[in-house]
Amino acid sequence: AQTVTQSQPEMSVQEAETVTLSCTYDTSESDYYLFWYKQPPSRQMILVIRQEAYKQQNATENRFSVNFQKAAKSFSLKISDSQLGDAAMYFCAYRTLRPSYDKVIFGPGTSLSVIP
Amino acid sequence: DAGVIQSPRHEVTEMGQEVTLRCKPISGHDYLFWYRQTMMRGLELLIYFNNNVPIDDSGMPEDRFSAKMPNASFSTLKIQPSEPRDSAVYFCASSSRTARGYQTDTQYFGPGTRLTVL
Repeated sequence: AQTVTQSQPEMSVQEAETVTLSCTYDTSESDYYLFWYKQPPSRQMILVIRQEAYKQQNATENRFSVNFQKAAKSFSLKISDSQLGDAAMYFCAYRTLRPSYDKVIFGPGTSLSVIP
Repeated sequence: DAGVIQSPRHEVTEMGQEVTLRCKPISGHDYLFWYRQTMMRGLELLIYFNNNVPIDDSGMPEDRFSAKMPNASFSTLKIQPSEPRDSAVYFCASSSRTARGYQTDTQYFGPGTRLTVL
């Protein structure tokens, strides 16, 4: 079974600095999706970025980028120029592309604090 | 698009009462997921539907929980009778098939319903 691990329960970053959140996963599959979701204090889950495993190029969305290392099964999120609004819980998630298996597996989350 | 809509946003009830949570998925999405989030257990998938049909309900805690999707634009999650340990944030999410044909794509979450059972 697939698993997602986030080894950093809490992280902090100075405003305007860069921070990297770690995520590793375990799978025997070769094709899948990976996601980073953000959950601010409002509790809503917001998609930050998505990576398709068959694409070698790392996904980027404005200040958010990932470092996808398929062989190492690592999927870290880099937040550049951190802003106060980035403070939230961040979840790494995995989804298989296997037909008729549509569950998303979430990691335990990393709580990010942004220091003014 | 308004996104996934959930109601109510907050619900406070007493033990033993029936609770009904509602969800309207994004128009055109053919997958709908119900999740529960607690501090102790994190984010748990309870059940998901494809084309209004329940596909996997293995995450439903017990018979007190039931979910329905009578049409493509509406789903309910019912707890009867409710218990204090059911207190959590319940999320609904929806998604659609990718251009590749048969797999689901990104899940879009609603704002959640914070349930408190006293």
